[in-house]
Order: sequence, then structure tokens, then C-alpha cells
Amino acid sequence: AQSVTQPDIHITVSEGASLELRCNYSYGATPYLFWYVQSPGQGLQLLLKYFSGDTLVQGIKGFEAEFKRSQSSFNLRKPSVHWSDAAEYFCAVPEGYSSASKIIFGSGTRLSIRP
Amino acid sequence: NAGVMQNPRHLVRRRGQEARLRCSPMKGHSHVYWYRQLPEEGLKFMVYLQKENIIDESGMPKERFSAEFPKEGPSILRIQQVVRGDSAAYFCASGASGLYNEQFFGPGTRLTVL
Repeated sequence: AQSVTQPDIHITVSEGASLELRCNYSYGATPYLFWYVQSPGQGLQLLLKYFSGDTLVQGIKGFEAEFKRSQSSFNLRKPSVHWSDAAEYFCAVPEGYSSASKIIFGSGTRLSIRP
Repeated sequence: NAGVMQNPRHLVRRRGQEARLRCSPMKGHSHVYWYRQLPEEGLKFMVYLQKENIIDESGMPKERFSAEFPKEGPSILRIQQVVRGDSAAYFCASGASGLYNEQFFGPGTRLTVL
């Protein structure tokens, strides 16, 4: 069965520092992969998605992620974080390829920003 | 072009009462998904509906929970005889038909059971 693992529960970085959030997936074929962000008390916003093609995906708010099949990873990166990036980040994979597919979420990584 | 709408945003119920959560999908979307987020956890799939049909309810608790998406009006997630363990954020997402499409999430309803 498909699954997503986010090994870091909580990460704190200084404002202006670089960021990498880890995500590992388990999937029988080439997966679709997503990163969502959830600000406190808010819903989920899609940061970026990987369907196929270029393994380096650009997203909104200056985020990018790289799909590495050999490592079963889809880590999220940002070269310089801003205080407004403090939020919960979820890596996710749809169960299948159709529009009927439910999304399987990782447990999330909470990002705190040190002034 | 309004996004996915959910109401109420916050709902407080006492044990044994009923909770009704509403979701209006984005215009043109015929698929609705409900997810539950327990405190300090990720989102877990509950149910997937299309108009007047439940397609996949594999994530729904066997008792007290039901969902519908009528021909007219919003999708409703209904929880009967709520217990404290039902306290969570409930998110609705909507999507369109065809090959895999992105699911757009609503702001959620935060249910607190006293």
C-alpha cells in the first residue's frame, strides 16, 4: 500500500537560512507527489506537485522539491526562509492515478522560524 | 471564483448531540472528499462522493458517521451522538472528473466535543 513518511516532526531554522524538509514514499509505480502547507487554524494550500517529467519541481512562495526515485524521496527545499513560512508542511501521495483517488498524507513537519 | 466553502468553521457540541458539517465544492467540481485531522496528526481520508453517490467510504467509522452529496446543495458530513474522540478538524476537498486532478481544500470545520 502507498505510504508517505515525514521523519522530522518539528524543525526550527533561523530566518534567512535554507530549509529542507524530508519526505519518503512507498509506491508500486511512478507516484504523483504533493507538498501542502497548513498555516495555524487554516486549511491546506498546495505548494507544488510532481506528476512526471522534470524531477525538480518549482512551486509557490519560493519552494521547490526534487523527486529522487533511487532514494524514494521528495524533499522540499527553500533557499531562504521568511518568518511567514512558519507552518505545518505535509507531503502527500494520491492512492492512484485517477480523479477518484484519495490522498494519503504524511504526519507533517512543523516548521518554526527563529528571528 | 469562490473556492471550497465549509461551514461552520467552528462547531461546539456536547457529548451525545449531533454534528452536521457542510461543504460546498468549487464551481464545476462534482467530486467531494472528506478528511479528518486529529490533533497533532496528518489528514486521514474518510469518504469520497459524487453527486448522489458514495464512491468510497473506506475511511469512515462504521457507526455514527454518514455523508451525503445531494443533487442540489452542499455535501453534508453527519456525526450522530458525538463523543470526545470526535473532536478534530474536518476538511472537505473538491475535484473535477477526468485524469487525476488536484484536490482543492476548504478551510475546515473544527469540531469540539465537550
